[in-house]
Amino acid sequence: KQEVTQIPAALSVPEGENLVLNCSFTDSAIYNLQWFRQDPGKGLTSLLLIQSSQREQTSGRLNASLDKSSGRSTLYIAASQPGDSATYLCAVSNTGGGNKLTFGTGTQLKVEL
Amino acid sequence: EADIYQTPRYLVIGTGKKITLECSQTMGHDKMYWYQQDPGMELHLIHYSYGVNSTEKGDLSSESTVSRIRTEHFPLTLESARPSHTSQYLCASSAGQFFQETQYFGPGTRLLVL
Repeated sequence: KQEVTQIPAALSVPEGENLVLNCSFTDSAIYNLQWFRQDPGKGLTSLLLIQSSQREQTSGRLNASLDKSSGRSTLYIAASQPGDSATYLCAVSNTGGGNKLTFGTGTQLKVEL
Repeated sequence: EADIYQTPRYLVIGTGKKITLECSQTMGHDKMYWYQQDPGMELHLIHYSYGVNSTEKGDLSSESTVSRIRTEHFPLTLESARPSHTSQYLCASSAGQFFQETQYFGPGTRLLVL
């Protein structure tokens, strides 16, 4: 059974700092790995999707990497802003399971002025 | 921005009532999903559908049921609500090939059963 772990559970940084969020998964047989953002009381917004054959994806100040063999992914946020404050969720899509996602518990990020 | 809608956004209801949570998407996606999320916990898949008249149970056992009569509509029903059903329910949809498709989420329904 796939298990997804995210470290740290919570993180508070001053504005402008670069930061890294970590995600690990136990079963490397995946179609893809996705990073989502969840704001309080709202649904999820997709940030980046990395296919199993890819090593990284970039979108603006966000960069996500994937090391499938070691079961790890990182989300790098450059020059953090208060608007980046949210919970960041990592999810993997397992082969043989359609596109059913297994989620981690998330990292709650707070960027302070 | 994803066009996927959920109603109601918030629902407070008494034990034993029948409820239906609505989910609709206007993107023509063939796949739709229901997730349950307790506060501070991860999302768990409870139902999914790969197309009209197709429904499957997810990884987390749930007393709810779903139907998929139209592509754009994927309602979730609880025949008799209980306090243990109190949670947030998130609907999502996707299309395309598994390795490259993104799931788009609705805003969620927060359910409180008294």
